Amino acid sequence: KAGVTQTPRYLIKTRGQQVTLSCSPISGHRSVSWYQQTPGQGLQFLFEYFSETQRNKGNFPGRFSGRQFSNSRSEMNVSTLELGDSALYLCASSSGLVMKDTQYFGPGTRLTVL
Amino acid sequence: AQKVTQAQTEISVVEKEDVTLDCVYETRDTTYYLFWYKQPPSGELVFLIRRNSFDEQNEISGRYSWNFQKSTSSFNFTITASQVVDSAVYFCALSEVDNQGGKLIFGQGTELSVKP
Repeated sequence: KAGVTQTPRYLIKTRGQQVTLSCSPISGHRSVSWYQQTPGQGLQFLFEYFSETQRNKGNFPGRFSGRQFSNSRSEMNVSTLELGDSALYLCASSSGLVMKDTQYFGPGTRLTVL
Repeated sequence: AQKVTQAQTEISVVEKEDVTLDCVYETRDTTYYLFWYKQPPSGELVFLIRRNSFDEQNEISGRYSWNFQKSTSSFNFTITASQVVDSAVYFCALSEVDNQGGKLIFGQGTELSVKP
């Protein structure tokens, strides 16, 4: 089975712009979670989608949003980029059917905001 | 509140040494799951193990072993006879069974450097 894929792998944007990141889960997985990783804050949960519905959300401003499509692929969007949004954005997929499910991570998208 | 603490920020060992990575967690739930992930320089988090709160048996997988002690809220990870390829950042994470979905709470990570 192919693993979780994320595109693009690297992005450079300037302050004030917006960005969209994409995540394709493992085939058959219906849950996609997003995490932000920074040197200062570590790994922080952004949100989780299951069957096109957001089930859980972390403590991030409304500039961070996401969605999930019927094929379980997910996108996250960050509007009005700030310097502090520079981070590695990781997505993870799981079956989503039980909370104990293991999340499998993609390689991440490294976003740099100038 | 849920919390995971990995007090060791960096550890450096010489190849073939044994090394233990510490993980202490806090949760009010009686049912929860604990995980270890490895993050090599490429950035992808690689799943190593999942443990539920009712199973305190230690687990061994090759050179890797895990010691889960509910009495001290710890879930420590030992690498025996370390190798250079073990160099990575290791994360311990907690998931509570009644969360709405998909939320892992991570520790700050321990960067392990294994020198030849």
